[in-house]
Amino acid sequence: ETGVTQTPRHLVMGMTNKKSLKCEQHLGHNAMYWYKQSAKKPLELMFVYNFKEQTENNSVPSRFSPECPNSSHLFLHLHTLQPEDSALYLCASSQATASNQPQHFGDGTRLSIL
Amino acid sequence: AQKVTQAQTEISVVEKEDVTLDCVYETRDTTYYLFWYKQPPSGELVFLIRRNSFDEQNEISGRYSWNFQKSTSSFNFTITASQVVDSAVYFCALREAAGNKLTFGGGTRVLVKP
Repeated sequence: ETGVTQTPRHLVMGMTNKKSLKCEQHLGHNAMYWYKQSAKKPLELMFVYNFKEQTENNSVPSRFSPECPNSSHLFLHLHTLQPEDSALYLCASSQATASNQPQHFGDGTRLSIL
Repeated sequence: AQKVTQAQTEISVVEKEDVTLDCVYETRDTTYYLFWYKQPPSGELVFLIRRNSFDEQNEISGRYSWNFQKSTSSFNFTITASQVVDSAVYFCALREAAGNKLTFGGGTRVLVKP
């Protein structure tokens, strides 16, 4: 059983919809991350949060809006997405953003934009 | 800038064969960390190993072994006596000491046939 839980597992939405992805970690970690995994690209880091504060935004379009209310929860709010945003979105957490700490990943949300 | 290259996109073997996955990295930092992750069909990324740049000892864990060669900037991964359950995509990743960013290679899909 993974210590990082993502919901929903699958999401199909139209381009004008608003939806949110949720991530919860039960590992007592302080850092959380969003990644995007497309079919033809390597895993791309999107956002990093450390102790609820955003420390990195990797030039992500504003139609993706992250929220981190506490160290255990991370959301990704989606609005007016494009077909190229269809991908697997992975959440991860680590003890800290220190570079030697391994990140633990959730199962991902597979997002399809119609 | 950091970069990770996994030249093999897909490897197919028959059960019990050994398989070696190549990983070559680029970094300007003298202190960095290398990781391998496994992504089974279910989607989650499973942490396998972390290696520090200052520790070139090779490591063995069961049927898994890793060969870190700093002189050639490589961190290869060998699965001995492969099993069908080893079928997955394997990712090599690099994180520099100073940064938040975990950079992934493109992944190698391993298919183990019975």
